[in-house]
Amino acid sequence: EPEVTQTPSHQVTQMGQEVILRCVPISNHLYFYWYRQILGQKVEFLVSFYNNEISEKSEIFDDQFSVERPDGSNFTLKIRSTKLEDSAMYFCASGNQADTQYFGPGTRLTVL
Amino acid sequence: DAKTTQPNSMESNEEEPVHLPCNHSTISGTDYIHWYRQLPSQGPEYVIHGLTSNVNNRMASLAIAEDRKSSTLILHRATLRDAAVYYCILRDGYVNRDDKIIFGKGTRLHILP
Repeated sequence: EPEVTQTPSHQVTQMGQEVILRCVPISNHLYFYWYRQILGQKVEFLVSFYNNEISEKSEIFDDQFSVERPDGSNFTLKIRSTKLEDSAMYFCASGNQADTQYFGPGTRLTVL
Repeated sequence: DAKTTQPNSMESNEEEPVHLPCNHSTISGTDYIHWYRQLPSQGPEYVIHGLTSNVNNRMASLAIAEDRKSSTLILHRATLRDAAVYYCILRDGYVNRDDKIIFGKGTRLHILP
């Protein structure tokens, strides 16, 4: 069964550094998403991406965040200058609009 | 956003059926009822969804009240692997199609061996 994959599984970085989280969505999906979950809290929507552009973003997704689908298979989330409060699990998901979304296993980001 | 109400936590014995309730009294006619779950240290996982009729799949059954103001996710024979947080979510499937998923706190299901 096809699945969403994410790399790395755990990323440790220093505050102020740039990080790129990578995702390979399911191949025939057209909609891509990033969510995050701070330890012990709810899963929060960050951004949705369709047709090579952002279709919706939350208040969390400020200028420090960007997304890209560089080569037709990968979907990346970049955080330009990480803050301590960016420490969280980041989940990538793919699907088709208003349909089932399939989530990856997540990347644990730890900002020191 | 249309909202759902779920108990914070529930307990069940292994190999017994589990009924997870969800109230959604403000549901609109175009809202689908979706259930996802999140196993420990994993990403959310789709379980089942429906509009009006009861639905069955290999993971679970979804029973939807006639007035659609509540629904119940049924795990027919719980295993230890079913211990997870279960989320009941409304998603508009028609004119105002929802793209993102808005997760609430869900119900944490504990399975007792």
